[in-house]
Amino acid sequence: DADVTQTPRNRITKTGKRIMLECSQTKGHDRMYWYRQDPGLGLRLIYYSFDVKDINKGEISDGYSVSRQAQAKFSLSLESAIPNQTALYFCATSEVSGVGTDTQYFGPGTRLTVL
Amino acid sequence: GESVGLHLPTLSVQEGDNSIINCAYSNSASDYFIWYKQESGKGPQFIIDIRSNMDKRQGQRVTVLLNKTVKHLSLQIAATQPGDSAVYFCAENPANAGGTSYGKLTFGQGTILTVHP
Repeated sequence: DADVTQTPRNRITKTGKRIMLECSQTKGHDRMYWYRQDPGLGLRLIYYSFDVKDINKGEISDGYSVSRQAQAKFSLSLESAIPNQTALYFCATSEVSGVGTDTQYFGPGTRLTVL
Repeated sequence: GESVGLHLPTLSVQEGDNSIINCAYSNSASDYFIWYKQESGKGPQFIIDIRSNMDKRQGQRVTVLLNKTVKHLSLQIAATQPGDSAVYFCAENPANAGGTSYGKLTFGQGTILTVHP
């Protein structure tokens, strides 16, 4: 979805390096998410934020941190990258509808390789 | 823990056939279910959703069926086309007592759909 952009799209780094992945959205949604996808697996939730002052851990938050700089921006950091963090990372946004549903819209993904 | 899973990891069909992709879920608190399509090199794309107070919902060439008795979800694609080839994920989204989504999706592993011309 072009309304959700991620940078960089591809990144190769070395063990121990600090990495930041950025996500921006123009959908005006309050809720933003970071997911990780490994080959042959579904997406797993790392962190999520329901508004600028709200940060919550997901299923696999260890080794990651996030920052919600503004409604439209949500960044994911790997303070000291390790090889098993090699994966495809997706950002998503959503807003609660009038009937309580909450469809998430995904960015194009960042492919991260840690050597 | 709770999980969402798929019965078949791969599905191959001929162009023009109907496709059925299945999903089992185990979280009885889930109120909202979503099907996503993921093409190679892209993020998941919303296809169709259904609330737990419905049994069936139709979209353009797609139908989602929900059987709460056996906790089963299916996606039917009519007249499957080569452009439908992708990985399809089901996801469940629990809601609070008031019916508002918690916003935390649990994804299944995915089914690879291959459509042969």
